[in-house]
Amino acid sequence: DQQVKQNSPSLSVQEGRISILNCDYTNSMFDYFLWYKKYPAEGPTFLISISSIKDKNEDGRFTVFLNKSAKHLSLHIVPSQPGDSAVYFCAASAIGGNQFYFGTGTSLTVIP
Amino acid sequence: NAGVTQTPKFRVLKTGQSMTLLCAQDMNHEYMYWYRQDPGMGLRLIHYSVGEGTTAKGEVPDGYNVSRLKKQNFLLGLESAAPSQTSVYFCASSYLGTYGYTFGSGTRLTVV
Repeated sequence: DQQVKQNSPSLSVQEGRISILNCDYTNSMFDYFLWYKKYPAEGPTFLISISSIKDKNEDGRFTVFLNKSAKHLSLHIVPSQPGDSAVYFCAASAIGGNQFYFGTGTSLTVIP
Repeated sequence: NAGVTQTPKFRVLKTGQSMTLLCAQDMNHEYMYWYRQDPGMGLRLIHYSVGEGTTAKGEVPDGYNVSRLKKQNFLLGLESAAPSQTSVYFCASSYLGTYGYTFGSGTRLTVV
């Protein structure tokens, strides 16, 4: 069963507006979360991370929010740019774990 | 910086043929992973290795074998290819299991 879920396969946003990508997880042992960005014909690249001791982490235009009680995290991109158009994967790992579990991805299109 | 290199980038196999995908990393990472990406399924872990000489099964190991004879290389083998193994394969490496991964650019495999 999918332990990390991204329920929106796609999202379209106007340039300059906010993009919000959502991710839900089921395993309460997950304590470290990552977002990856993937362009066509390339491998995923690391974007931003958050550990369970925080509820927010910012890096420039990208902010990740974690709601542990709801087992939910979100990625905010402000302002969105056409170059942000890509597939975004969230991933989660448990304490002492050997692997990350990935969601199914959300394809973001930023319209100029 | 080469990072993670996958060879080949593309391959077409006939059902029943065998092949080996090579992953090489130059970052001295302990952990290496093989994922497959299919539409609507996200990234699913096939096999992984926590160090030279070790391998372990992931979520979808059937039909694949792996070897990690050298720390920098992780090989994925298909003994008898099936059309269900048509996919994009990604190799990744990390310093520790709960550190972010560095991905290769992928191998697109088609089994006809």
